[in-house]
Amino acid sequence: GESVGLHLPTLSVQEGDNSIINCAYSNSASDYFIWYKQESGKGPQFIIDIRSNMDKRQGQRVTVLLNKTVKHLSLQIAATQPGDSAVYFCAEKSSNYKLTFGKGTLLTVNP
Amino acid sequence: EADIYQTPRYLVIGTGKKITLECSQTMGHDKMYWYQQDPGMELHLIHYSYGVNSTEKGDLSSESTVSRIRTEHFPLTLESARPSHTSQYLCASMGQNQPQHFGDGTRLSIL
Repeated sequence: GESVGLHLPTLSVQEGDNSIINCAYSNSASDYFIWYKQESGKGPQFIIDIRSNMDKRQGQRVTVLLNKTVKHLSLQIAATQPGDSAVYFCAEKSSNYKLTFGKGTLLTVNP
Repeated sequence: EADIYQTPRYLVIGTGKKITLECSQTMGHDKMYWYQQDPGMELHLIHYSYGVNSTEKGDLSSESTVSRIRTEHFPLTLESARPSHTSQYLCASMGQNQPQHFGDGTRLSIL
């Protein structure tokens, strides 16, 4: 069946370092992926997305990489700041506008 | 920032009560979604709608029901609340060629 999962449940980094959050997906037919950030007490907030016809997409301090060969997705955050501390979810478009979410990675940024 | 609102933000109520969780969006999005999320866990889709008078069950079975009489509103109802319904409920909407945007959720606690 379809599934989206994350390799690491927690990630702790020093302020100013780069962070890399990984995600594996199982449906090779998926054509759209999203990264969300969820802070405590809030709903998920869109960070960046990528379509399957791309390998890389960059935003402000964030980069998403898609490796379709091994069905792997990663989110890179440059110069991580305390405000980046949150749970990060990857999501995969499973069918007709529905998303399947992974379990999430808790990112903690140490000052 | 997406304009999607959920009320109440927090609700503590006794077993057996009827509950309606409100979700409204001002963006004219056709597609709306309800997710259930336990603390620190992934989001599970429980209901979705592709437009007025359209409602579908999601991937996770839920005793709740939804209605979509107006484009802007997608309320979720529990006829008789039980402690097993204690969770966070997140509403989302999606426009054409856009990612899903989320509200900040309702934290529901059934005593």
